[in-house]
Amino acid sequence: EAQVTQNPRYLITVTGKKLTVTCSQNMNHEYMSWYRQDPGLGLRQIYYSMNVEVTDKGDVPEGYKVSRKEKRNFPLILESPSPNQTSLYFCASSATSGVTDTQYFGPGTRLTVL
Amino acid sequence: GENVEQHPSTLSVQEGDSAVIKCTYSDSASNYFPWYKQELGKRPQLIIDIRSNVGEKKDQRIAVTLNKTAKHFSLHITETQPEDSAVYFCATFSGGYNKLIFGAGTRLAVHP
Repeated sequence: EAQVTQNPRYLITVTGKKLTVTCSQNMNHEYMSWYRQDPGLGLRQIYYSMNVEVTDKGDVPEGYKVSRKEKRNFPLILESPSPNQTSLYFCASSATSGVTDTQYFGPGTRLTVL
Repeated sequence: GENVEQHPSTLSVQEGDSAVIKCTYSDSASNYFPWYKQELGKRPQLIIDIRSNVGEKKDQRIAVTLNKTAKHFSLHITETQPEDSAVYFCATFSGGYNKLIFGAGTRLAVHP
């Protein structure tokens, strides 16, 4: 089944404890990105990747890191999480190196930073 | 940078009525306008999109219209059903930055 998966789905952590949210897609998509969703603010892009080893900042990259060592995986790293990073996170992918293709979203990761 | 404003933020209709959600954007170079539906606790999913060379696109009960001169586009849902209840997001493609800019969302409630 073609899909985007994220893990974990739920995470409660404390300030400053490094964490990684994994994202994987099995559709051989080139473009992958991370969004955070907050009430009243919609979906805001954190980072995106147009292909392996190619990443760039989105609108809200502060406090996050990403890597794209393999085409299928695009992990999101929070080196030192803070309470303002409490949010719902979505990974997404699309077929080509652009966003004018359908974005396929993962199931979401709800993160709480205490 | 690119900005997308979406209205209304909440919309309540009776089953069978029509619903209209409108978005305005600032980047005149925007050329791709998708709409995503997010049911409660689920991921966003594309329901319809339109490109700048087309003024209107329809798919069964949903349609999107685009007015490039006025820089706004709208989602129209006819004969609404309870399963249409969800949050709807508009988005535009920021051509210079290869990313989608989303509106803040509209929570649609369809009452039986």
